[in-house]
Amino acid sequence: AQTVTQSQPEMSVQEAETVTLSCTYDTSESDYYLFWYKQPPSRQMILVIRQEAYKQQNATENRFSVNFQKAAKSFSLKISDSQLGDAAMYFCAYRRVDGNNRKLIWGLGTSLAVNP
Amino acid sequence: DAGVIQSPRHEVTEMGQEVTLRCKPISGHDYLFWYRQTMMRGLELLIYFNNNVPIDDSGMPEDRFSAKMPNASFSTLKIQPSEPRDSAVYFCASSSGLAGGGTGELFFGEGSRLTVL
Repeated sequence: AQTVTQSQPEMSVQEAETVTLSCTYDTSESDYYLFWYKQPPSRQMILVIRQEAYKQQNATENRFSVNFQKAAKSFSLKISDSQLGDAAMYFCAYRRVDGNNRKLIWGLGTSLAVNP
Repeated sequence: DAGVIQSPRHEVTEMGQEVTLRCKPISGHDYLFWYRQTMMRGLELLIYFNNNVPIDDSGMPEDRFSAKMPNASFSTLKIQPSEPRDSAVYFCASSSGLAGGGTGELFFGEGSRLTVL
């Protein structure tokens, strides 16, 4: 069965600095999707970034980028120029590429604090 | 679009009472998901629908939980009778099969925080 592991329950970063959140996963599939979601104190989950496993190029969305290492089954999230609004829980998630299977496998999350 | 709308935002009830949580997905989305979030177990998928049909309900904890989607714009999650261990935040999310270039990005509601005394 697929699993997603986020080994850092809590992280902190100084405002304007860079932080990297770790995520590893276990799967025997060759094609799949990976996601990072953010959950601020307001509770609503928001997609930060997505990666298709068949794409070798790492996804980037403004200050957010990933380091996708398929062989190592690693999918870390880098936040550059951290801002106070980045403080949140961050969840890594995995989904198989399967026409009707829409289940995401979630990590337990990393709580990120941003210090002014 | 207004996004995924959930109600109520907060519910406090007594053990044994019936609880109904409601969700309006984003118009045009053909998948709807119900999640439960607790500190102990994180995010758990309870059930999801495709075109109003339940596809996978293996995450529904027990017979006290039921979910329906009578039409494309409305879904309910019902707990009867409720127990203190059901206290959690319940999220509804919707998705389009074509969202995010086919990755099926989820759009979440703000959640319903349920407290069972």
